[in-house]
Amino acid sequence: DAKTTQPTSMDCAEGRAANLPCNHSTISGNEYVYWYRQIHSQGPQYIIHGLKNNETNEMASLIITEDRKSSTLILPHATLRDTAVYYCIVWIVDQGGKLIFGQGTELSVKP
Amino acid sequence: GAVVSQHPSWVICKSGTSVKIECRSLDFQATTMFWYRQFPKQSLMLMATSNEGSKATYEQGVEKDKFLINHASLTLSTLTVTSAHPEDSSFYICSARVNSPLHFGNGTRLTVT
Repeated sequence: DAKTTQPTSMDCAEGRAANLPCNHSTISGNEYVYWYRQIHSQGPQYIIHGLKNNETNEMASLIITEDRKSSTLILPHATLRDTAVYYCIVWIVDQGGKLIFGQGTELSVKP
Repeated sequence: GAVVSQHPSWVICKSGTSVKIECRSLDFQATTMFWYRQFPKQSLMLMATSNEGSKATYEQGVEKDKFLINHASLTLSTLTVTSAHPEDSSFYICSARVNSPLHFGNGTRLTVT
C-alpha cells in the first residue's frame, strides 16, 4: 500500500505557483520523498526528490517539514503543460525497494 | 538524462493470442526493471520486479504464467501477455533503475478484441 496521502485534485491559474501537498506521516528515517508526474497517456516523469533538506531544480522545489511527515511540491510558475497527475512517493532507494504509487493529485492549470 | 524505450507504443490483438512488450534502457545498464499496469482513471499498479539473469518477482495477485517476464540483458526486459483476454486491455509501463531516480518508458497501450 502507498504510504502517502494527497488531495485528489487541485486547480491553479496559469502563471501562478502551484503548491501540491503530501502527507507521509509514517515515513522512516531512510526513506526519500520522490515526486513524479504523469501527463495523460504517457509514462511518469521524474520531478524531484529529497531526504531531509529542501531541494530545488529546474522543474520545481520540494519543501519537507522538519519532522518529515509532510512535504510540498512547488511549481513556481505553472503553465498549461503542467496539467498532469502528480504522485508523491516514499522510497528506500539503497535497499532496492519498490516504487509504489498512490492515487496522486490531478492538477489542472487553467488560463 | 536516462532514457527508457518501450515498444510498441500501442498494440491491438485478438483474444487468445500472445503479445510481447519490450523495455530497453538506452544509455545505461539497468540491474532492475519494474513492470506496471494502469487501468483508466486509476494509478499505476506494480506487477513485477525483474532482475537481470534471475526470475522475476511477481506482486500478489499477478499471474506469473500469464505475464511472462524475461530480463535477458542489462538493457532489455520483455513482458509477454499470454492468451490475452479483453480484461487484459490496459496501459503497461516499464521502468528501469541503476541508481536513483527510477526512469519510466512511455507505456504500451494494449487492446484485446
